[in-house]
Amino acid sequence: QKEVEQNSGPLSVPEGAIASLNCTYSDRGSQSFFWYRQYSGKSPELIMSIYSNGDKEDGRFTAQLNKASQYVSLLIRDSQPSDSATYLCAATKTSYDKVIFGPGTSLSVIP
Amino acid sequence: DVKVTQSSRYLVKRTGEKVFLECVQDMDHENMFWYRQDPGLGLRLIYFSYDVKMKEKGDIPEGYSVSREKKERFSLILESASTNQTSMYLCASSPILTDLGGKLFFGSGTQLSVL
Repeated sequence: QKEVEQNSGPLSVPEGAIASLNCTYSDRGSQSFFWYRQYSGKSPELIMSIYSNGDKEDGRFTAQLNKASQYVSLLIRDSQPSDSATYLCAATKTSYDKVIFGPGTSLSVIP
Repeated sequence: DVKVTQSSRYLVKRTGEKVFLECVQDMDHENMFWYRQDPGLGLRLIYFSYDVKMKEKGDIPEGYSVSREKKERFSLILESASTNQTSMYLCASSPILTDLGGKLFFGSGTQLSVL
């Protein structure tokens, strides 16, 4: 079983719709969770971090964490073509620990 | 802005060669990481380091070693390059602060081809 799992997609949504990306993790010791965005041919960049149960909003992005279900999600409201990228979920236990990534979900926003 | 610099964007080597990939960060981050990224497999951790001269194995350390003699520099070494090590190699750094753990800053990557 992989430590961090995601649906590989591709996920296609029309422009203006809500894109929903999901992630599950196997290690209950994981404390910190992250969403990275990676454009084709580029390096990943951090877009959201979440540490406690519930929702965290930043602009059009909302991260959701449910530690009991070992589930993390990312919602992108009012999706734009510029949101088309691969989204990587990541988890770590502490600041001194390894950071493990899921395989990524490819998102395509159709104009 | 945090800058993580990888020495080469593209590298072509022969099977059996010893290969050095260099990474330098300019933000005094404690943690440094080496990942490889392959289509369909995502980012896989090779090694990481949380302090000078300290190293920890990741998920796929076989065939690799690392060196961290200075805080800002983390080197990945392929002892005897093989064709299955052809991949995109990504270096990253992160600070050790309670609320910033796991916030990685990536270099631009090195596409290594082993022929």
